[in-house]
Amino acid sequence: EVQLVESGGGSVQPGGSLRLSCAASGFTFSSCALSWVRQAPGKGLEWVSGVSGGGSSTFYADSVRGRFTISRDNSKNTLYLQMNSLRAEDTAIYFCARHLTGHWLIDYWGQGTLVTVSS
Amino acid sequence: DIQMTQSPSSLSASVGDRVTITCQASQDISKELNWYQQKPGKAPKLLIYDASNLEIGVPSRFSGSGSGTDFTFTISSLQPEDIATYYCQQYDNLPLTFGGGTKVEIK
Repeated sequence: EVQLVESGGGSVQPGGSLRLSCAASGFTFSSCALSWVRQAPGKGLEWVSGVSGGGSSTFYADSVRGRFTISRDNSKNTLYLQMNSLRAEDTAIYFCARHLTGHWLIDYWGQGTLVTVSS
Repeated sequence: DIQMTQSPSSLSASVGDRVTITCQASQDISKELNWYQQKPGKAPKLLIYDASNLEIGVPSRFSGSGSGTDFTFTISSLQPEDIATYYCQQYDNLPLTFGGGTKVEIK
């Protein structure tokens, strides 16, 4: 069974940093691209960042490029999102998502972790 | 970026009704479109992929159609457990983009 379990969310002041993790199991981790998708309170879904299976290719939404860094450790089956220079508008639930092999189709989602940016 | 325009933003229907949601892409995305169901406090769940393929385990009352820029999602007979918000999403190009969502309620 595919499982994606996020952690690392919390409250932080504007300008602060946070590192999210997503522990994966139930599939061949290095075979699948992964992404972070967020959802602001009461709002829709927004793709944030993605990384290829091997980790060499990374992709970002314009809204986070230069502030967020996605990475993965295939030896630990874990995905990360380093978030710097956080803003109030980054407040959201952050979901880890798996892509079908060779596709950008998202087939599994984690349950999410809440990030709150507030003074 | 590819814009996804989903309508309506909300709807209210009776149990047993046929419900239809549309999604329009700002450019040709072939059939690279998903439909997700999201219940409050939960992660999205994949229902339809490649515009018209039903994910394993999803009830057959859910269906999708379309290609290019115009897509339709249908619940043939609305059930109480279908109360949720539904999203379309294109995966033809990065950045992945989602429709604004359709909140489905029971009348």
